[in-house]
Amino acid sequence: AQTVTQSQPEMSVQEAETVTLSCTYDTSESDYYLFWYKQPPSRQMILVIRQEAYKQQNATENRFSVNFQKAAKSFSLKISDSQLGDAAMYFCAYRSGGAQKLVFGQGTRLTINP
Amino acid sequence: DGGITQSPKYLFRKEGQNVTLSCEQNLNHDAMYWYRQDPGQGLRLIYYSQIVNDFQKGDIAEGYSVSREKKESFPLTVTSAQKNPTAFYLCASSILEAGGSDTQYFGPGTRLTVL
Repeated sequence: AQTVTQSQPEMSVQEAETVTLSCTYDTSESDYYLFWYKQPPSRQMILVIRQEAYKQQNATENRFSVNFQKAAKSFSLKISDSQLGDAAMYFCAYRSGGAQKLVFGQGTRLTINP
Repeated sequence: DGGITQSPKYLFRKEGQNVTLSCEQNLNHDAMYWYRQDPGQGLRLIYYSQIVNDFQKGDIAEGYSVSREKKESFPLTVTSAQKNPTAFYLCASSILEAGGSDTQYFGPGTRLTVL
């Protein structure tokens, strides 16, 4: 079974600085998708960014970018120019290309210090 | 506005009662999902449906039931057989894309508390 591990339960960063959240996953499949979701205090899950395993290029969405290392099974999220509104729980998730289920990590709580 | 709605936002249940959580989407998405979130944990899949009148069990389906009579609606019933139902429940939906590349989008969630 696939597993997703987020080794940092909590992270903090100064406003305007850059922070990187770690995620590793375990799979024997070659066709899969990886996601980062943000869960603010409202608790609604918001898609931040997604990466297709077959793409070598790292996905980028404005201030959010990923470092996808397929051989190492690593999928970290970099947030540049951190803003107070970035404070939330961040979840890394995996989905096999042939399945509907998202497998989530335990989450990382990100605090932004003004 | 297009989106996914869940109601109610907060729900209280007495032990032994069944309760139904509502999930509606107007995004014309094919697939719908129910996840459960416990404190300090990620989400776990309860049930999902890819087409009307069909649904599949997820990892923790015991004590839950669903129906999919309409494309836009996927209600979840938490039965008295669910031993520890207090949790946050999230509904999601997605377009089914060729190659399995679909992305799931989530509703605002329902907090269920058993008294």
